[in-house]
Amino acid sequence: DAKTTQPNSMESNEEEPVHLPCNHSTISGTDYIHWYRQLPSQGPEYVIHGLTSNVNNRMASLAIAEDRKSSTLILHRATLRDAAVYYCILGTTGANSKLTFGKGITLSVRP
Amino acid sequence: DAGVTQSPTHLIKTRGQQVTLRCSPKSGHDTVSWYQQALGQGPQFIFQYYEEEERQRGNFPDRFSGHQFPNYSSELNVNALLLGDSALYLCASSGAGKWYNEQFFGPGTRLTVL
Repeated sequence: DAKTTQPNSMESNEEEPVHLPCNHSTISGTDYIHWYRQLPSQGPEYVIHGLTSNVNNRMASLAIAEDRKSSTLILHRATLRDAAVYYCILGTTGANSKLTFGKGITLSVRP
Repeated sequence: DAGVTQSPTHLIKTRGQQVTLRCSPKSGHDTVSWYQQALGQGPQFIFQYYEEEERQRGNFPDRFSGHQFPNYSSELNVNALLLGDSALYLCASSGAGKWYNEQFFGPGTRLTVL
């Protein structure tokens, strides 16, 4: 499985935008970029995914570099509830897809 | 919709014992995956079940086994427990027939091996 590299941690202020980076220089042409997050004492939850184009949903935006070797998860207005570990994962989307998690980035949000 | 449920919530066992963890997938989902999450680490894939068969497996010893029932619920069994098996065990379900299989995770079972 292709690997991703994320900073260990990041801090942000409440109601400000947050940009969480992810490097994936060995990404293959068929790899999707998935983001999941894990709130304290909960299982991971899906945030967003993309292949080549930037993606938006109600939770976040995903900006993908043109060469696909890096991507950025954007939370437009951080809330205290967004404090979590965010995982950037590469993989397929087929029925037998599995998720290969790294350590993720721990986001802290200051009130 | 109850989402993915797991039981029990917490479990304490001693070395050498055996344990069974249970998972009920989200309604409409037919694929169940199990993950092990050690403290401070990301979840690690154990195996995945579909149509009552193990479809793929991560790098875990044979002490870890599973089962899927006709109603799509699943069990994870761990034999000859080691101290290093202490972890949060997560179950995730996903649905067939969709081009993107977002995985829905349960809250996990916290296993402590003494």
